[in-house]
Amino acid sequence: ETGVTQTPRHLVMGMTNKKSLKCEQHLGHNAMYWYKQSAKKPLELMFVYNFKEQTENNSVPSRFSPECPNSSHLFLHLHTLQPEDSALYLCASSQDLGTESSYNEQFFGPGTRLTVL
Amino acid sequence: AQSVTQLGSHVSVSEGALVLLRCNYSSSVPPYLFWYVQYPNQGLQLLLKYTSAATLVKGINGFEAEFKKSETSFHLTKPSAHMSDAAEYFCAVSDPMDSSYKLIFGSGTRLLVRP
Repeated sequence: ETGVTQTPRHLVMGMTNKKSLKCEQHLGHNAMYWYKQSAKKPLELMFVYNFKEQTENNSVPSRFSPECPNSSHLFLHLHTLQPEDSALYLCASSQDLGTESSYNEQFFGPGTRLTVL
Repeated sequence: AQSVTQLGSHVSVSEGALVLLRCNYSSSVPPYLFWYVQYPNQGLQLLLKYTSAATLVKGINGFEAEFKKSETSFHLTKPSAHMSDAAEYFCAVSDPMDSSYKLIFGSGTRLLVRP
């Protein structure tokens, strides 16, 4: 595997289900991100992790719970979601934060298309 | 705070015609600027980036963009559109004065290419 991978690619869940999205990067990066992409809305940054530490939580509801066990893996745990949470969830990684040499160039995975019924 | 504006949520061109996708940023300090492309059911792929070196930046697939400080713009162009260019394009900005180097994305422009 190369680049950034995400599983599953598609997920349909009921509002009472609990599920998890997985992201893995094979680039040796130290920063990882979760974005939400809804129809007709700009890309929304949800969470940022740098060296496994959360550095940004962009006022995301608690029904979304991120986990970053190491610099290569990022999870998004989902529970009691709402239909308006249906979207494409994108994971990205970058070398790290705050270093000019990286310019924060982010590499994206293919996304998980989530449908909440 | 940084922001980026992409004029036109949809742009339609004929195959072989010039592609021009507009991006303007708001910043008193020249930022780092990026163009990403998203094909259907895929993630975002970096097309090109401006990081304070040459103002005319060449990217993949024949695309290029010119940084114009006086106009606070970073428009994306391609001389001749190909059917495979149909996708959504996102302009993004990163503030070099912000230690997090967070990317702020525009709302995207969907490019349609007519045969």
